[in-house]
Amino acid sequence: EVQLVESGGGLVQPGGSLRLSCAASEFTFNNYAMSWVRQAPGKGLEWVSGVSGTGGSINYADSVKGRFTISRDNFKNMLYLQMNSLRLEDTAVYYCAKGGVGRWDAFDVWGQGTMVTVSS
Amino acid sequence: QSALTQPASVSGSPGQSITISCTGTSSDVGGYNYVSWYQQHPGKAPRLMIYDVSNRPSGVSNRFSGSKSGNTASLTISGLQAEDEADYYCSSYTGSSTLVVFGGGTKLTVL
Repeated sequence: EVQLVESGGGLVQPGGSLRLSCAASEFTFNNYAMSWVRQAPGKGLEWVSGVSGTGGSINYADSVKGRFTISRDNFKNMLYLQMNSLRLEDTAVYYCAKGGVGRWDAFDVWGQGTMVTVSS
Repeated sequence: QSALTQPASVSGSPGQSITISCTGTSSDVGGYNYVSWYQQHPGKAPRLMIYDVSNRPSGVSNRFSGSKSGNTASLTISGLQAEDEADYYCSSYTGSSTLVVFGGGTKLTVL
């Protein structure tokens, strides 16, 4: 079964850092762009960052640019999100999502999400 | 890049049809045929229901259909069923550094 499993969420103070991981299985990982999408409590979805299948192309939402870093390890079938200088408004469930064939979007596989809480 | 505009809520009775709109700009919805729709039940991850404006992934009921006119995309659900009650989000590819923009979400209530 095609699967994405996130980990690494937790409680962190404002200004702190956290690294999220996403383990992919049962598909050819390096063939697909991957993204992180977040959802603040009771709010809608927000695309955060995406990385191409090779890792050579990376994009960020303006709200996280300069603070978050996306990366992938195609040998380990892993996706990462390094989050620095965390703010209260970064509190959300973070999902990793697989892009469609040859696509950045059309997210056809999602993980279960990992909760990040930024609070003092 | 601003979020796409969706109605906050829609409702319908079992067996009826409803349509959810998603309005963007010429830089997103109007500029690309890359509109997707996602269904999200409470506490669950989103599920892709429509991609490329009107295509259904394998396993999605043909009661779900999508269309687009200008800067506005639409999701229609026909023959409403109780299990369709959920939040629905549209998204569009943008071609800018903010690659994907989502709508604010629409809560569908099946009366």
